[in-house]
Amino acid sequence: SAVISQKPSRDICQRGTSLTIQCQVDSQVTMMFWYRQQPGQSLTLIATANQGSEATYESGFVIDKFPISRPNLTFSTLTVSNMSPEDSSIYLCSVRQGYGTDTQYFGPGTRLTVL
Amino acid sequence: DQQVKQNSPSLSVQEGRISILNCDYTNSMFDYFLWYKKYPAEGPTFLISISSIKDKNEDGRFTVFLNKSAKHLSLHIVPSQPGDSAVYFCAAGLLYSGAGSYQLTFGKGTKLSVIP
Repeated sequence: SAVISQKPSRDICQRGTSLTIQCQVDSQVTMMFWYRQQPGQSLTLIATANQGSEATYESGFVIDKFPISRPNLTFSTLTVSNMSPEDSSIYLCSVRQGYGTDTQYFGPGTRLTVL
Repeated sequence: DQQVKQNSPSLSVQEGRISILNCDYTNSMFDYFLWYKKYPAEGPTFLISISSIKDKNEDGRFTVFLNKSAKHLSLHIVPSQPGDSAVYFCAAGLLYSGAGSYQLTFGKGTKLSVIP
């Protein structure tokens, strides 16, 4: 299994500011994803982070609000831009080690509170 | 439209007894399913998976059953232990269908409490 770390683990931010969350994996992985879990809700996929190209966003999520970078096979960042209280969530990095594998692993999450 | 549903938000079970967590799905194209366990302040931890070609997969105290005709799966934990107390998420995906999407669709979770 892959060991995934995220920074920061939690943060409290002011409305209108931006926060960049980092995800580091201990091994090269094929696929990296960013999820959001709002209070009392299921995990929702924000986007698939593609190495060397623009991320693939799910319906309801846009690049201007959630820019994503993936410079290599072990690292990705998610920025939450121009934050509002509705962005208060847990943001989770997730990886899959190969296209043929079904197991997907999750990082510990970043708990974001926007005041 | 929620494609994966966990209709019980919570479940309490006595230590040593069986815990049964249920999950229903609506998309008949889903071809593999996973269960995750999540403790507070931690990310989800993979527990067990099953592909649509099977109807049962077992790993120690954990067994997942899949009923494709009913679009239903369940996770059995036997015997239940206090350390099993957590939120359990059911997830479904398209791995073998050739649809080219690796997205997992999650249910809202069931909070299991195992009482000593």
